Amino acid sequence: SAVISQKPSRDICQRGTSLTIQCQVDSQVTMMFWYRQQPGQSLTLIATANQGSEATYESGFVIDKFPISRPNLTFSTLTVSNMSPEDSSIYLCSVLSGTASYEQYFGPGTRLTVT
Amino acid sequence: QQPVQSPQAVILREGEDAVINCSSSKALYSVHWYRQKHGEAPVFLMILLKGGEQMRHEKISASFNEKKQQSSLYLTASQLSYSGTYFCGHNAGGTSYGKLTFGQGTILTVHP
Repeated sequence: SAVISQKPSRDICQRGTSLTIQCQVDSQVTMMFWYRQQPGQSLTLIATANQGSEATYESGFVIDKFPISRPNLTFSTLTVSNMSPEDSSIYLCSVLSGTASYEQYFGPGTRLTVT
Repeated sequence: QQPVQSPQAVILREGEDAVINCSSSKALYSVHWYRQKHGEAPVFLMILLKGGEQMRHEKISASFNEKKQQSSLYLTASQLSYSGTYFCGHNAGGTSYGKLTFGQGTILTVHP
């Protein structure tokens, strides 16, 4: 399985500011995914980060709020812009790996608290 | 649309068995099962593909009934390490196996 790291692991930010989360994978992957997990809740897909093209966003998520970069096949960033307390969540990146690339593995997550 | 998991919570003694169900209103291409411990990332357990076989992971197995759009996770002879929140995720669009819609989770607690 792929080894995924994220930075920062946690942060406390003031409302109105922005935070960029980095995701690094130890192997080349075609697609990377960004999920959000609000406190005590399930996981929700934010967007799919494709190398060489614009990210594709799920319903309810927009590029102005969550801009994503994917400069190469092992790295992606997610920015949470103009933050409000409602953005307090764990943000996780994930990739498909395994023999047939069916298996989805998650990074350790970034725990964001907005005050 | 989010899959529905049942039960919402299960409490077991070590060695007991449990079943967690996951139902969807959509035709499914795949169902994925994860376990998440408090403060940690979800850990992949297994994937069930349309037309595929029943899968096993140690003493955990799962089935996928395509006609009923349901999957069940079977935990046999539970161990303390099985405690956590179990999520099923489904892929209904047939696009990418990474684009999952997750259920609300089932909290499993195993006591000695």
